[in-house]
Amino acid sequence: NAGVTQTPKFQVLKTGQSMTLQCAQDMNHEYMSWYRQDPGMGLRLIHYSVGAGITDQGEVPNGYNVSRSTTEDFPLRLLSAAPSQTSVYFCASSYGSVNEKLFFGSGTQLSVL
Amino acid sequence: DAKTTQPTSMDCAEGRAANLPCNHSTISGNEYVYWYRQIHSQGPQYIIHGLKNNETNEMASLIITEDRKSSTLILPHATLRDTAVYYCIARGATNKLIFGTGTLLAVQP
Repeated sequence: NAGVTQTPKFQVLKTGQSMTLQCAQDMNHEYMSWYRQDPGMGLRLIHYSVGAGITDQGEVPNGYNVSRSTTEDFPLRLLSAAPSQTSVYFCASSYGSVNEKLFFGSGTQLSVL
Repeated sequence: DAKTTQPTSMDCAEGRAANLPCNHSTISGNEYVYWYRQIHSQGPQYIIHGLKNNETNEMASLIITEDRKSSTLILPHATLRDTAVYYCIARGATNKLIFGTGTLLAVQP
């Protein structure tokens, strides 16, 4: 099994550009989430989804959009990138949303110039 | 979810047990204690979780005090590959898993 797959692994954007970070899982997990991690800090929750068609905000949702049209995919969109969004982004999934262990992808390193 | 407090960093000699403490004095009855670790630049990895009984799996043991205000993650025979940031999280019936800054465990040869 591939588990949680994130693409791309690295991306450089200019301020104001838009892009989508892709996340896919093949474990039939209902719960998916996005985190960002800045240098020397822990992970901060951006958005999460408890199933197809359902999304909600985490700790730091501003500047990011998500949608969940299928169980497998949970893309994260940056509509107008800002330097403050330079970070490493991790996608995670779990079978259920409560008291289930999370499986993480390998991350996307994003730089906004 | 209850706030957790962990030391910023710890050292451990290779082959010895690593004991990582976590304080969660405001934990409520339905909140589980979770441990994850993050090896440099990789995605976090689940280690273990528990409610009030001690737990053991192939990776580690989790000891939770009787009053549940603190816990200890034990890596019985630490290796250099166990060098990582370890996160202790108290999680209740919520869809949000909130990470703190964790403990950097450095295993020394």
